[in-house]
Amino acid sequence: DAGVIQSPRHEVTEMGQEVTLRCKPISGHDYLFWYRQTMMRGLELLIYFNNNVPIDDSGMPEDRFSAKMPNASFSTLKIQPSEPRDSAVYFCASSPSGLRRTDTQYFGPGTRLTVL
Amino acid sequence: DQQVKQNSPSLSVQEGRISILNCDYTNSMFDYFLWYKKYPAEGPTFLISISSIKDKNEDGRFTVFLNKSAKHLSLHIVPSQPGDSAVYFCAASYTGRRALTFGSGTRLQVQP
Repeated sequence: DAGVIQSPRHEVTEMGQEVTLRCKPISGHDYLFWYRQTMMRGLELLIYFNNNVPIDDSGMPEDRFSAKMPNASFSTLKIQPSEPRDSAVYFCASSPSGLRRTDTQYFGPGTRLTVL
Repeated sequence: DQQVKQNSPSLSVQEGRISILNCDYTNSMFDYFLWYKKYPAEGPTFLISISSIKDKNEDGRFTVFLNKSAKHLSLHIVPSQPGDSAVYFCAASYTGRRALTFGSGTRLQVQP
Protein backbone atom coordinates (compact mmCIF):
# COMPACT_ATOMS: atom_id res chain seq x y z
CA ASP A 1 0.00 0.00 0.00
CA ALA A 2 1.53 3.30 -1.12
CA GLY A 3 -0.19 5.40 1.51
CA VAL A 4 -1.57 8.86 0.88
CA ILE A 5 0.28 10.57 -1.96
CA GLN A 6 0.63 14.33 -2.20
CA SER A 7 2.19 16.46 -4.90
CA PRO A 8 4.16 18.57 -5.14
CA ARG A 9 6.18 18.13 -1.96
CA HIS A 10 7.42 21.70 -2.16
CA GLU A 11 5.97 24.68 -3.97
CA VAL A 12 7.39 28.16 -4.15
CA THR A 13 5.32 30.78 -5.90
CA GLU A 14 4.84 34.50 -6.07
CA MET A 15 1.97 36.40 -4.55
CA GLY A 16 -1.02 36.51 -6.87
CA GLN A 17 -0.27 33.24 -8.61
CA GLU A 18 -2.60 30.26 -8.62
CA VAL A 19 -1.48 27.22 -6.66
CA THR A 20 -2.89 23.70 -6.97
CA LEU A 21 -2.10 20.98 -4.47
CA ARG A 22 -2.92 17.37 -5.27
CA CYS A 23 -3.79 14.33 -3.22
CA LYS A 24 -4.36 10.65 -3.90
CA PRO A 25 -5.98 8.91 -0.91
CA ILE A 26 -5.47 5.31 0.10
CA SER A 27 -7.54 3.04 -2.12
CA GLY A 28 -10.82 2.08 -0.48
CA HIS A 29 -10.90 5.00 1.92
CA ASP A 30 -14.15 6.94 1.77
CA TYR A 31 -13.07 10.01 3.73
CA LEU A 32 -10.58 12.62 2.60
CA PHE A 33 -9.36 15.55 4.69
CA TRP A 34 -7.30 18.64 3.97
CA TYR A 35 -5.39 20.18 6.89
CA ARG A 36 -2.99 23.10 7.14
CA GLN A 37 -0.14 23.44 9.62
CA THR A 38 1.22 26.83 10.62
CA MET A 39 3.33 27.99 13.54
CA MET A 40 0.57 30.24 14.81
CA ARG A 41 -2.45 27.96 14.47
CA GLY A 42 -0.99 24.48 14.56
CA LEU A 43 -2.80 21.81 12.57
CA GLU A 44 -6.24 22.95 11.45
CA LEU A 45 -8.91 21.30 9.32
CA LEU A 46 -9.77 23.06 6.08
CA ILE A 47 -12.34 20.73 4.51
CA TYR A 48 -13.32 17.09 4.38
CA PHE A 49 -15.14 14.86 1.90
CA ASN A 50 -17.13 11.68 2.24
CA ASN A 51 -17.62 9.63 -0.92
CA ASN A 52 -16.38 12.61 -2.97
CA VAL A 53 -18.96 14.98 -1.46
CA PRO A 54 -17.79 17.94 0.67
CA ILE A 55 -19.15 17.52 4.19
CA ASP A 56 -17.64 20.42 6.08
CA ASP A 57 -15.77 23.32 4.52
CA SER A 58 -16.08 25.69 7.47
CA GLY A 59 -12.32 25.70 7.90
CA MET A 60 -11.61 27.08 4.45
CA PRO A 61 -10.14 30.52 5.17
CA GLU A 62 -11.82 32.49 2.42
CA ASP A 63 -13.06 32.40 -1.13
CA ARG A 64 -9.54 32.24 -2.48
CA PHE A 65 -9.47 28.61 -1.37
CA SER A 66 -11.38 25.88 -3.15
CA ALA A 67 -11.25 22.08 -3.02
CA LYS A 68 -12.59 19.42 -5.31
CA MET A 69 -12.79 15.66 -5.35
CA PRO A 70 -13.81 14.60 -8.86
CA ASN A 71 -13.41 10.90 -8.09
CA ALA A 72 -12.52 8.55 -5.27
CA SER A 73 -8.81 8.58 -6.05
CA PHE A 74 -8.04 12.25 -6.50
CA SER A 75 -8.54 15.60 -4.80
CA THR A 76 -7.20 19.10 -5.34
CA LEU A 77 -6.86 22.15 -3.15
CA LYS A 78 -6.55 25.37 -5.09
CA ILE A 79 -5.54 28.83 -3.91
CA GLN A 80 -6.23 31.70 -6.28
CA PRO A 81 -4.76 34.25 -5.87
CA SER A 82 -2.13 33.15 -3.38
CA GLU A 83 -0.85 35.44 -0.61
CA PRO A 84 2.24 35.27 1.64
CA ARG A 85 0.05 34.39 4.64
CA ASP A 86 -0.93 31.18 2.86
CA SER A 87 2.59 29.87 3.39
CA ALA A 88 2.21 26.66 5.40
CA VAL A 89 2.42 22.90 5.16
CA TYR A 90 -0.74 21.42 3.70
CA PHE A 91 -1.61 17.84 4.61
CA CYS A 92 -4.06 15.49 3.01
CA ALA A 93 -5.40 12.54 5.02
CA SER A 94 -7.79 9.70 4.34
CA SER A 95 -9.68 7.20 6.43
CA PRO A 96 -11.98 4.28 5.80
CA SER A 97 -15.68 4.50 6.49
CA GLY A 98 -17.39 2.33 9.02
CA LEU A 99 -18.75 2.64 12.47
CA ARG A 100 -15.56 1.93 14.32
CA ARG A 101 -14.21 4.99 16.05
CA THR A 102 -10.81 3.41 15.74
CA ASP A 103 -10.78 4.16 12.03
CA THR A 104 -7.95 6.60 12.23
CA GLN A 105 -6.79 9.05 9.64
CA TYR A 106 -3.71 8.35 7.56
CA PHE A 107 -1.74 11.41 6.57
CA GLY A 108 0.30 12.13 3.49
CA PRO A 109 3.78 13.66 3.74
CA GLY A 110 2.47 17.18 3.14
CA THR A 111 3.14 19.98 0.66
CA ARG A 112 5.27 22.84 1.91
CA LEU A 113 3.96 26.00 0.26
CA THR A 114 5.93 29.23 0.23
CA VAL A 115 4.33 32.33 -1.23
CA LEU A 116 6.80 35.16 -1.80
CA ASP B 1 -11.03 29.76 19.89
CA GLN B 2 -8.83 26.72 20.43
CA GLN B 3 -10.94 23.79 21.55
CA VAL B 4 -7.90 21.57 22.07
CA LYS B 5 -4.91 23.08 23.82
CA GLN B 6 -1.40 21.87 24.37
CA ASN B 7 0.12 24.50 26.60
CA SER B 8 3.68 23.17 26.55
CA PRO B 9 5.35 23.85 23.21
CA SER B 10 8.34 21.73 24.13
CA LEU B 11 9.57 19.13 26.58
CA SER B 12 13.00 17.66 27.17
CA VAL B 13 13.60 14.43 29.11
CA GLN B 14 16.45 12.02 29.65
CA GLU B 15 16.48 8.64 27.98
CA GLY B 16 14.88 6.00 30.20
CA ARG B 17 12.79 8.49 32.14
CA ILE B 18 9.07 9.13 31.82
CA SER B 19 7.70 11.69 29.36
CA ILE B 20 4.34 13.24 30.18
CA LEU B 21 2.57 15.28 27.53
CA ASN B 22 -0.59 17.15 28.47
CA CYS B 23 -3.67 18.25 26.60
CA ASP B 24 -6.80 20.16 27.62
CA TYR B 25 -10.06 20.51 25.76
CA THR B 26 -13.07 22.76 26.11
CA ASN B 27 -15.77 21.17 23.95
CA SER B 28 -17.94 18.83 26.05
CA MET B 29 -19.11 17.06 22.91
CA PHE B 30 -15.70 15.48 22.34
CA ASP B 31 -15.90 11.77 23.10
CA TYR B 32 -12.89 10.35 21.33
CA PHE B 33 -9.29 11.42 21.73
CA LEU B 34 -6.14 10.55 19.85
CA TRP B 35 -2.44 11.23 19.93
CA TYR B 36 -0.45 11.59 16.74
CA LYS B 37 3.30 11.69 16.38
CA LYS B 38 5.08 13.70 13.71
CA TYR B 39 8.66 13.55 12.53
CA PRO B 40 10.14 16.37 10.42
CA ALA B 41 9.17 16.31 6.74
CA GLU B 42 6.59 13.58 7.36
CA GLY B 43 2.87 13.54 7.97
CA PRO B 44 1.47 12.83 11.44
CA THR B 45 1.06 9.15 12.29
CA PHE B 46 -1.48 7.69 14.67
CA LEU B 47 -0.10 6.64 18.04
CA ILE B 48 -2.86 5.81 20.49
CA SER B 49 -6.49 6.68 21.18
CA ILE B 50 -9.05 6.58 23.96
CA SER B 51 -12.82 6.67 24.09
CA SER B 52 -14.59 8.79 26.68
CA ILE B 53 -16.05 5.65 28.27
CA LYS B 54 -12.56 4.77 29.46
CA ASP B 55 -10.07 6.60 31.63
CA LYS B 56 -6.95 4.75 30.53
CA ASN B 57 -5.61 3.00 27.47
CA GLU B 58 -2.25 1.31 27.22
CA ASP B 59 -0.17 0.20 24.26
CA GLY B 60 3.34 -0.92 25.07
CA ARG B 61 5.35 2.03 26.35
CA PHE B 62 2.50 4.44 25.67
CA THR B 63 -0.42 5.11 28.00
CA VAL B 64 -3.11 7.72 27.61
CA PHE B 65 -5.11 8.92 30.60
CA LEU B 66 -8.40 10.75 30.36
CA ASN B 67 -9.92 12.89 33.10
CA LYS B 68 -13.34 13.89 31.80
CA SER B 69 -14.29 16.07 34.73
CA ALA B 70 -11.18 18.15 34.23
CA LYS B 71 -11.36 17.92 30.43
CA HIS B 72 -7.76 16.82 30.47
CA LEU B 73 -5.78 14.02 28.92
CA SER B 74 -2.17 13.06 29.07
CA LEU B 75 0.21 10.79 27.23
CA HIS B 76 2.83 8.91 29.23
CA ILE B 77 5.85 7.36 27.54
CA VAL B 78 7.82 4.96 29.71
CA PRO B 79 10.69 4.51 29.25
CA SER B 80 11.46 7.34 26.86
CA GLN B 81 13.83 6.59 23.98
CA PRO B 82 15.74 8.93 21.64
CA GLY B 83 13.57 7.69 18.75
CA ASP B 84 10.56 9.17 20.53
CA SER B 85 11.86 12.65 19.78
CA ALA B 86 9.13 14.19 17.64
CA VAL B 87 6.18 16.57 17.77
CA TYR B 88 3.14 15.08 19.48
CA PHE B 89 -0.34 16.29 18.61
CA CYS B 90 -3.40 15.74 20.72
CA ALA B 91 -6.66 15.47 18.74
CA ALA B 92 -10.34 15.07 19.50
CA SER B 93 -13.56 14.25 17.73
CA TYR B 94 -17.19 13.55 18.58
CA THR B 95 -19.81 11.10 17.41
CA GLY B 96 -21.11 12.01 13.99
CA ARG B 97 -18.09 14.03 12.99
CA ARG B 98 -15.14 12.32 11.37
CA ALA B 99 -12.85 15.33 11.28
CA LEU B 100 -10.33 15.85 14.04
CA THR B 101 -9.61 18.99 16.03
CA PHE B 102 -5.92 19.18 16.80
CA GLY B 103 -3.89 20.91 19.45
CA SER B 104 -0.87 22.97 18.50
CA GLY B 105 1.60 20.21 19.33
CA THR B 106 4.39 19.58 21.84
CA ARG B 107 7.94 18.98 20.68
CA LEU B 108 9.51 16.19 22.71
CA GLN B 109 13.26 15.80 22.82
CA VAL B 110 14.68 12.72 24.49
CA GLN B 111 18.31 13.21 25.43
CA PRO B 112 20.59 10.13 25.20
